[in-house]
Amino acid sequence: GIQVEQSPPDLILQEGANSTLRCNFSDSVNNLQWFHQNPWGQLINLFYIPSGTKQNGRLSATTVATERYSLLYISSSQTTDSGVYFCAVGVSNAGKSTFGDGTTLTVKP
Amino acid sequence: ETGVTQSPTHLIKTRGQQVTLRCSSQSGHNTVSWYQQALGQGPQFIFQYYREEENGRGNFPPRFSGLQFPNYSSELNVNALELDDSALYLCASSSGASNEKLFFGSGTQLSVL
Repeated sequence: GIQVEQSPPDLILQEGANSTLRCNFSDSVNNLQWFHQNPWGQLINLFYIPSGTKQNGRLSATTVATERYSLLYISSSQTTDSGVYFCAVGVSNAGKSTFGDGTTLTVKP
Repeated sequence: ETGVTQSPTHLIKTRGQQVTLRCSSQSGHNTVSWYQQALGQGPQFIFQYYREEENGRGNFPPRFSGLQFPNYSSELNVNALELDDSALYLCASSSGASNEKLFFGSGTQLSVL
């Protein structure tokens, strides 16, 4: 099956810093989503982005499908951005999404 | 518009028992997917239900089974619980069966002793 690798595994920032999280995948995909898992375990959908670039406030994402990677940018980070960020890809119409192991982000005040 | 709700939030069972987890999909959504998330890992796909039929299954044994009701809510049943079944179980709903944006509930934390 498809492999999804996220980097870095852990990231520690000072409040106000910018960061880039990366997601590499091993095969062509039909969809790609970025999620933020908060300390209570809930996964919040940040972006549905099979290709191209999207922005939502301080967050933006870019997927280059032909090169099999996606990037999540966080600007002016806040302590509430802390948590685990996952990317998930779908490769068929069977409904399965394959998740990476996540990037754990800690933003210090 | 109501979001995805899961119950119970926490559950403790002993090895060999059976458990049923419940999920109500977001209004307007007809598809529910179940995921298992072990500590420190990404969620793993268990199966998906679309219009009351199973539509895709991950690498989980048959003792993991599910059901979707006419109102699109869903149940996950696990028989003969094992210690390794201890995990966060997440339900996601979507407006279609393939390549749709996923909306997750808060999960059920299952501990098997």
